[in-house]
Amino acid sequence: DAMVIQNPRYQVTQFGKPVTLSCSQTLNHNVMYWYQQKSSQAPKLLFHYYDKDFNNEADTPDNFQSRRPNTSFCFLDIRSPGLGDAAMYLCATSRPPPGTAYEQYFGPGTRLTVT
Amino acid sequence: AQSVTQLGSHVSVSEGALVLLRCNYSSSVPPYLFWYVQYPNQGLQLLLKYTSAATLVKGINGFEAEFKKSETSFHLTKPSAHMSDAAEYFCAVSGGAGNMLTFGGGTRLMVKP
Repeated sequence: DAMVIQNPRYQVTQFGKPVTLSCSQTLNHNVMYWYQQKSSQAPKLLFHYYDKDFNNEADTPDNFQSRRPNTSFCFLDIRSPGLGDAAMYLCATSRPPPGTAYEQYFGPGTRLTVT
Repeated sequence: AQSVTQLGSHVSVSEGALVLLRCNYSSSVPPYLFWYVQYPNQGLQLLLKYTSAATLVKGINGFEAEFKKSETSFHLTKPSAHMSDAAEYFCAVSGGAGNMLTFGGGTRLMVKP
């Protein structure tokens, strides 16, 4: 089945120690997104790629970076994690119109713990 | 600009009872509307979507939603709740550039035996 895969599902890192989260997709979608979701809140968009074009949300901290080496893979790098960065990180994909009706397909998420 | 308001951050129903989760939207362009479900420690799964075709949309797991332009609403319903329906539900709107989703704050559905 075509899908969005995130690894690892659970990640523990230390305060200030760089960490990378991975996302891959077999849907061949042009657009990939990274969201941060804290407990009992809606997902918050960090940035997205439209093909190779990177789009950063205005309020995404500089501590968060992303790479998309090819269509299938996208990485989220947190350069110096703080306690406030502990959250669920969701990757999603979509195919811009014409095509699907703007829906996004989500991976299972990576839960990040910062100690 | 787009926004979504979900009335009720927590909804509790008995098993077998009607489920009604409320969603109101604001959009300057004809909207696409979505309901997603999220189980604990999982990603978001699409329940159903409105794309300007039929106003009554049927989704997975017995859920449906009705688009009412005059009320700017897209409420989610299910005739009979199951224990397995307990989850967080998010309403979202899209239609702007870049295919962005604007989410509501979410509603946690609890199902009592």
